[in-house]
Amino acid sequence: KAGVTQTPRYLIKTRGQQVTLSCSPISGHRSVSWYQQTPGQGLQFLFEYFSETQRNKGNFPGRFSGRQFSNSRSEMNVSTLELGDSALYLCASSGTVLAADTQYFGPGTRLTVL
Amino acid sequence: QKEVEQNSGPLSVPEGAIASLNCTYSDRGSQSFFWYRQYSGKSPELIMSIYSNGDKEDGRFTAQLNKASQYVSLLIRDSQPSDSATYLCAVNIRGSSNTGKLIFGQGTTLQVKP
Repeated sequence: KAGVTQTPRYLIKTRGQQVTLSCSPISGHRSVSWYQQTPGQGLQFLFEYFSETQRNKGNFPGRFSGRQFSNSRSEMNVSTLELGDSALYLCASSGTVLAADTQYFGPGTRLTVL
Repeated sequence: QKEVEQNSGPLSVPEGAIASLNCTYSDRGSQSFFWYRQYSGKSPELIMSIYSNGDKEDGRFTAQLNKASQYVSLLIRDSQPSDSATYLCAVNIRGSSNTGKLIFGQGTTLQVKP
């Protein structure tokens, strides 16, 4: 099976812009979670989508949003970018009913905000 | 108190030795525990999951869980230089059991010296 894919792999934006990141889960997986990783804060949970519904949400401002499509692909959007949004954004998918918390990560999108 | 705590290290061991990585968590109702390995510049890779008290072995890796002490550890036997990476402990806390919301520790950097 192909793994989790994320596009784009690298992005450079300026403050105030918005950005959309995309994630395609492992085939058959219905849960997609997003995380932000920074050197200072580590890996922090953003949100999880399951069957096109947001199932969990982390403690991030409303500028961070996401959605999931019927084919389980997911996008996250960050509006009004701030310098502090520079980070590695990771998507993870999980699939089986009995192990819905066993997550497999994509390669990530490295976002730099100037 | 952080929800998931790890010693950031670095933990340095000689090649062939046993590396012991530790993690504590604050939510007594946590049900699922995971260890991920992350090489520099890469995304986290799942090593093991553990759900029940005791030991779980997979090749050179052994995960140990003690729910009474709220403690989970990872032992790496016959450590190799290729094991040099950051090891992340992740917990599925109460309220988000069996969903794709994991809380991560800050990670422990392991250095295996030839």
